[in-house]
Parts: sequence; structure tokens; C-alpha cells
Amino acid sequence: EAQVTQNPRYLITVTGKKLTVTCSQNMNHEYMSWYRQDPGLGLRQIYYSMNVEVTDKGDVPEGYKVSRKEKRNFPLILESPSPNQTSLYFCASGGTYNEKLFFGSGTQLSVL
Amino acid sequence: DQQVKQNSPSLSVQEGRISILNCDYTNSMFDYFLWYKKYPAEGPTFLISISSIKDKNEDGRFTVFLNKSAKHLSLHIVPSQPGDSAVYFCAARSGGSNYKLTFGKGTLLTVNP
Repeated sequence: EAQVTQNPRYLITVTGKKLTVTCSQNMNHEYMSWYRQDPGLGLRQIYYSMNVEVTDKGDVPEGYKVSRKEKRNFPLILESPSPNQTSLYFCASGGTYNEKLFFGSGTQLSVL
Repeated sequence: DQQVKQNSPSLSVQEGRISILNCDYTNSMFDYFLWYKKYPAEGPTFLISISSIKDKNEDGRFTVFLNKSAKHLSLHIVPSQPGDSAVYFCAARSGGSNYKLTFGKGTLLTVNP
């Protein structure tokens, strides 16, 4: 089954404790991206990757890091989480031209 | 600067009637438009799309209309069903080197039985 898998689904952490949210896709997609969803703000892009070893900032990259060492994986790293990073995060993947983006089920992060 | 706007945060319709969700955009370089549906506790799922060279695309009960001169698109659902109750996101794709998708804030559709 074609899918984007994120882990964990729920995460509660404390300010400053480094964390990683994993994302994996099995569709051989070149394009992968991270979004955060906040009430009243919709989906905002954090980082994206056009292919292995090619990443770039989205609209709200501050406080986040990503890496793309393999085509299928695109982890999101928060080196020093802060409460304003409490949000619902989605990983997505798509073909090169983004005619259709596939989303994971989301990771609800709470930073205390 | 919000390039994709969904001005109605919510919409309520009766089962069997038409639902019309609207979306406006400001960037003339957008070349492709998509609608996504999102249920609670799930990721958004692709619903329907339209290229900027077309003005209408239909898929079953779902039709998307694009008015380029007005920079406006709409999603029509006919007939509406209770299972259509969800948040609907409009998205627009930038052409060029990164094909970035920009999303609106979403509209919560409630279809009442």
C-alpha cells in the first residue's frame, strides 16, 4: 500500500530537549516536505526536499532542521524545541511536479 | 502576505444540497490548483485538481471551477453527503524550479442529515 509514515503520532516533550520526527514514503517520490498546521493559520511549509541531499527552506524554517540522505526518508529535527513549536506536523511526498501530494497521518507535538 | 485565501472558515449545508467552497489567490504564477480534504486525526487527502489552462474539472460529485481573470476557484459538491463533513484546503502550485504548494487556511464543511 502506497503511504507516508510518520512517527510518533503523539509526542510531549520539554523545552530544549532535542527530538526527531521520522517520515518515510514507499512511493519512490523525489519530492518530500514538512508542514505544520496551526489553528487559523492552515498548513505552512517548514522545509522541503527535491531529491536526495537537496533540501531548502519553506515559509517557517526557524528552529527546524531536516536531512535527506535516502530517497525514502525525510526526518524533521528540533534541536532545541520551544513552546511555540507546539503544533500538528505533517510530512508529505509527491512526484517531481507536485501534481498530487500524499500526506502522513500527522504528529501532534506538545512542548512544555 | 497570504497568497491563497479561503475567506469562509466554515460552511454548513443540508444533505442532498450543493456545497460551494471558495478560494482566491493573488499570485499570477500559480499554474496548478488542488483541493484536499482533511478529517480529524488524519492527514489531508487529495480530492481534485485543475490546471491553469482549464476552467473546469469534474470527478463524480466533485467539480472544480477556475476563473483566472478573477483569480478565483471554487469546489462544488453535488449532492452533499454527511461523510463529506471535513476541512477542505485549497492549494496552489508555483511553476518553476521547486513546484511549491501553497495552502489556504481551510474551510470546515458540515453536512447535516
